[in-house]
Amino acid sequence: EVQLVESGGGLVQPGGSLRLSCAASGFTFSNYWMTWVRQAPGRGLEWVAIINQDGSVNYYVDSVKGRFTISRDNAKNSLYLQMSSLRAEDTAVYYCARDSRRSLDYWGQGTLVTVSS
Amino acid sequence: DIQMTQSPSSLSASVGDRVTITCRASQSISSYLNWYQQKPGKVPNLLISAASSLQSGVPSRFSGSGSGTDFTLTITSLQPEDFATYYCQQSSSTPYTFGQGTKLDIK
Repeated sequence: EVQLVESGGGLVQPGGSLRLSCAASGFTFSNYWMTWVRQAPGRGLEWVAIINQDGSVNYYVDSVKGRFTISRDNAKNSLYLQMSSLRAEDTAVYYCARDSRRSLDYWGQGTLVTVSS
Repeated sequence: DIQMTQSPSSLSASVGDRVTITCRASQSISSYLNWYQQKPGKVPNLLISAASSLQSGVPSRFSGSGSGTDFTLTITSLQPEDFATYYCQQSSSTPYTFGQGTKLDIK
């Protein structure tokens, strides 16, 4: 059974940093692109970042470029999102998702990040 | 970036109705279009990929069509469990943007 479990969310002050993790199991993690998607409270889905199978290629939405870094450790079957210079508008539930042929076929339960003083 | 626009933003319908949700891309995305369903408090669920490919386990009352810039999600004979928010997403070029969502509720 495919499982994605996010962790690392919490309350952080504006300008602060946070590292999200996503533990994957039930599939060959190193064979898949992986994605982070976020959803602000009461709002729609926003695609944040994607990384290829070996971590050599990544892309970001403009609003997080230069502040967020996506990475992975295939030996640990883990995906990460390092977030810095956090803003109130980064407050959201952050989901990791498996990208299968350019669609997100499995999602984690999400981890809530709240940026507030 | 490619903008995705869904219409309508909200829709009221009854059990047994047929509904259609439209998604328009700001430029051609070929068939790189996915549809997701999200129920309140739940994780999004992939319904259709590549514009018209129904995911395993998704009821056949769901169907998708379109290519280029205009796409539709059709639900025939609405069931109580179908009342949810639906999102389209383009995966033609990064960032793989989502539409704003269509909330389908009970009339």
